[in-house]
Amino acid sequence: ELKVEQNPLFLSMQEGKNYTIYCNYSTTSDRLYWYRQDPGKSLESLFVLLSNGAVKQEGRLMASLDTKARLSTLHITAAVHDLSATYFCAVDISGNTGKLIFGQGTTLQVKP
Amino acid sequence: DAGVIQSPRHEVTEMGQEVTLRCKPISGHDYLFWYRQTMMRGLELLIYFNNNVPIDDSGMPEDRFSAKMPNASFSTLKIQPSEPRDSAVYFCASSPLGWGNYGYTFGSGTRLTVV
Repeated sequence: ELKVEQNPLFLSMQEGKNYTIYCNYSTTSDRLYWYRQDPGKSLESLFVLLSNGAVKQEGRLMASLDTKARLSTLHITAAVHDLSATYFCAVDISGNTGKLIFGQGTTLQVKP
Repeated sequence: DAGVIQSPRHEVTEMGQEVTLRCKPISGHDYLFWYRQTMMRGLELLIYFNNNVPIDDSGMPEDRFSAKMPNASFSTLKIQPSEPRDSAVYFCASSPLGWGNYGYTFGSGTRLTVV
């Protein structure tokens, strides 16, 4: 059975600090996606990682993918309050036929 | 583009009633997905369509759930009869051919409460 596991599931941090969210998955895949969800809102696409070693950066967030280790990381640099949200990773398990399986989500709370 | 449009935004219904959720995907997108989100189970893929054809419905929880896509611009998810455990947020998402390079675009969701 495919598992997509994120850790931590909850993260409370101070503004200005750095931290990393981890996404492990249990099957072969070379595509991984990160989404952000604000409370009561929809999911917004953050990053699309399409190959081993892929690295994408947007502002204070940087995502990377290691397909051999079946691991993706989302690194937060100098966190600000506006980054408070729930972050999901999702893995394409179907060889580009459209099926994404989501992790449990990591709820990030950035305190002033 | 207006994005993926779902209706209604909120639905409160009594147990045993039929509920129909609606979705209009982004024009030109070939794939449409229905997900359910709950605190206990997270985001679950229920069913997805490619060019209006259901491809994988293995996530549909039971026969009370059905989904249709009569044309490229409209899909429905129906629950009949509804039960309190169906209470969740239901998201529709769409994606173009070659979706792997883009991922999905999600709608705003329908928050369903069955009392």
